[in-house]
Amino acid sequence: AQRVTQPEKLLSVFKGAPVELKCNYSYSGSPELFWYVQYSRQRLQLLLRHISRESIKGFTADLNKGETSFHLKKPFAQEEDSAMYFCALSGSSYKLIFGSGTRLLVRP
Amino acid sequence: GAVVSQHPSRVICKSGTSVKIECRSLDFQATTMFWYRQFPKQSLMLMATSNEGSKATYEQGVEKDKFLINHASLTLSTLTVTSAHPEDSSFYICSARDSHTDTQYFGPGTRLTVL
Repeated sequence: AQRVTQPEKLLSVFKGAPVELKCNYSYSGSPELFWYVQYSRQRLQLLLRHISRESIKGFTADLNKGETSFHLKKPFAQEEDSAMYFCALSGSSYKLIFGSGTRLLVRP
Repeated sequence: GAVVSQHPSRVICKSGTSVKIECRSLDFQATTMFWYRQFPKQSLMLMATSNEGSKATYEQGVEKDKFLINHASLTLSTLTVTSAHPEDSSFYICSARDSHTDTQYFGPGTRLTVL
């Protein structure tokens, strides 16, 4: 079955601390993995995708096929990073399967 | 970047009535659009895939006769919630796939409240 698991509903850190938002997936095949972010009162927007292998706003994510994980990391969290983060996968049909989301709260 | 709009942003209707929600890609053509439903503090649940010029593909458990989808042009898809009931109250979000960038862009969502 296709599934995306984000085990943490809420992650609270202090400004400047490292952040890791966990994401594990289940998919029979080679999916594409994404991280989407939803800031307060804004629409969902793409943060990064595994095939790009780029860093956006200081965030990186590496696809680990052995562990079927795609954890999102940032070495030094900023207050403006506070938002809802969704991990998602896409197969051959372009459909996105979302995880349940993790709310990141960065305290001053 | 690419923009997707939804109209209306919120709607309140009486039980038994039908409500139409529009999703438009403003600066690109989208042969494929998607409709999601988001419950409070929960994730997005894919309802259906809307394909321009053909029938929509519904996810398991989604009633196609209740949630009518039409994708008559490359920039517009509509979702009609027929004979709405209070349990249909939710946040409905659409996305449009830009085939040139292979990226899905999301609309701002429509809050439906059925009284």
